[in-house]
Formats: sequence, C-alpha cells, structure tokens
Amino acid sequence: DAGVTQSPTHLIKTRGQQVTLRCSPKSGHDTVSWYQQALGQGPQFIFQYYEEEERQRGNFPDRFSGHQFPNYSSELNVNALLLGDSALYLCASSHDRVGETQYFGPGTRLLVL
Amino acid sequence: AQSVTQLGSHVSVSEGALVLLRCNYSSSVPPYLFWYVQYPNQGLQLLLKYTSAATLVKGINGFEAEFKKSETSFHLTKPSAHMSDAAEYFCAVRKGGSYIPTFGRGTSLIVHP
Repeated sequence: DAGVTQSPTHLIKTRGQQVTLRCSPKSGHDTVSWYQQALGQGPQFIFQYYEEEERQRGNFPDRFSGHQFPNYSSELNVNALLLGDSALYLCASSHDRVGETQYFGPGTRLLVL
Repeated sequence: AQSVTQLGSHVSVSEGALVLLRCNYSSSVPPYLFWYVQYPNQGLQLLLKYTSAATLVKGINGFEAEFKKSETSFHLTKPSAHMSDAAEYFCAVRKGGSYIPTFGRGTSLIVHP
C-alpha cells in the first residue's frame, strides 16, 4: 500500500515564476491538505481539499491556489513567486472523518532565487 | 484559537538517557493531540496521538506521552535514547470537530554517543 507521494522532490525557480506541485494521497483517503514548512519552523496550513472543493484555508494569499481531481490527487499552484516562498511543501491525506489522522508525504523542497 | 508551545528548540541527551520533550497547548475545547517526528529531508511521521480514550498514550519506537488536562500538557518521553532518535519532533493540536491541526515550532533532539 503506497503512502502519500509528492512530485517533484526538489525544484528551483526564480522570482515571479509560477510553480505546480503534485500530490497523490494514501490509498483510500479522500481528503488532501497542503502545508508550508519554512526552515526551522513547524508546518503552516495552506488549505484542504475534499470532494474537489477547497474546504478550509489558512492565512495564505491568493497567489496560492489548488485543485483536487476525481481520483483525489491534488495540485498546489503558486504564482508570482517570492523569495519567501522558499520552503518545504508538505501534502497530507486522510479520511474525511472527525478524529482521523493525517499522513504526510516526503515533501517538495522549493527554492526561489 | 488553539496553539501549541514546545519548550526548548533543542534538547540534547546522551545515548541511553531519558528523553523528555515538552509540549503545552491551549484549546477552548478538549483537543486531539499529536506528536510527529521528522528525519532530515523527509516528511512527518506520526509517533502517537491522543483522542481522549486514555491519558497515557503509547506510540512507535518506544515513545509515549501523557495528557495532563490540569497542566494543559502533552509531554513526549522515551526511557532510553538511541542514536537513531535524533530528529525534529513536532507537537500538534486539533480541536474536536476541526480537520486542521496547529503545529508547534518543533524541538530538535540531539543524541550524543
């Protein structure tokens, strides 16, 4: 049973560019959440997708957007990249049930130059 | 609003010594509490979680944590540290009925031979 997978593992972009990160949830999971983890910090919640809709959003600007596909996989898009967007981006999946645990992928490390 | 405070950004122990990582939370309602571990260049792995079934929670790799409501604490312990325990540890809290956990800033565990 594959866990949560993310691609790519590493990415280098320049300021102003756009980036798309991808996530495949753990088998049987229908909910996907995205987090940003800056160096030396804990993960910060970006948004969560369920039934192809953004269900909840953290304190991130509209430059951050996402999508969930019918197979529950998800994408995170970031437009107009800033140097401060450099971070590890984590995807987590879970069942849509209260109390369910989130399982995290290995992350995509984004460096903005 | 819920929040998590991890006391000590770094904890250093000798191999074989007791590990104690501190976590205090604030939540207006009984929470779900989690400890995650993150090894270098990897995503987060769940160590254990508290869901009100029992105050002493046993997790993987010999770790356990005790929920103390009166102290609003959920400290993580392990009787004897191994070199392989060296990693970043994150405490997280989620209100009942909420899908999104709030993470602490993390504690780096250093294990000396």
